[in-house]
Amino acid sequence: GIQVEQSPPDLILQEGANSTLRCNFSDSVNNLQWFHQNPWGQLINLFYIPSGTKQNGRLSATTVATERYSLLYISSSQTTDSGVYFCAVIRNYGQNFVFGPGTRLSVLP
Amino acid sequence: DTAVSQTPKYLVTQMGNDKSIKCEQNLGHDTMYWYKQDSKKFLKIMFSYNNKELIINETVPNRFSPKSPDKAHLNLHINSLELGDSAVYFCASSWLAGALGDTQYFGPGTRLTVL
Repeated sequence: GIQVEQSPPDLILQEGANSTLRCNFSDSVNNLQWFHQNPWGQLINLFYIPSGTKQNGRLSATTVATERYSLLYISSSQTTDSGVYFCAVIRNYGQNFVFGPGTRLSVLP
Repeated sequence: DTAVSQTPKYLVTQMGNDKSIKCEQNLGHDTMYWYKQDSKKFLKIMFSYNNKELIINETVPNRFSPKSPDKAHLNLHINSLELGDSAVYFCASSWLAGALGDTQYFGPGTRLTVL
């Protein structure tokens, strides 16, 4: 099956700093999504981005499907950005999401 | 109003017991999911239902049986609980099935501990 890797596994930032999280996947995909799990466990779907670039406030994501990777950019980080960021992919319609192991982000005040 | 709700929030039980987790969504979505998150935070999808019909069943043991009485509910029944079933279980919903690129909305999770 498809493999999903994320880097770095852990990231510690000072508030206000920028960061880039990376997701690599081993095969072509029909769907790629980014999720955020806050320190209290709540999961939120951030982006649906099988290709191209999207922006939502301080967060943006870019997927280069031909090179099988996606990047999540967080600018001017805030303590509320802390948590685990997961990317998940679907190879073909009818299949389920395969999640990466996540990047744990800690933003210090 | 909570969009996706799960009950109970915590469940502690003995090995061998049978238990159920309930999920309800009030968003009018057609698709619902169950996910399992283990102690290392690894997330894995278990089931997808679209309009009460099972569309995806990952390699989950037969002891897990989802039931969707209507589009707004997807319950998870687990028979003969084992230690390895201890995890946080998340329910989610979306308009479209995952591959079609729709936003999923997650419940707060149910922490299951099997002793």
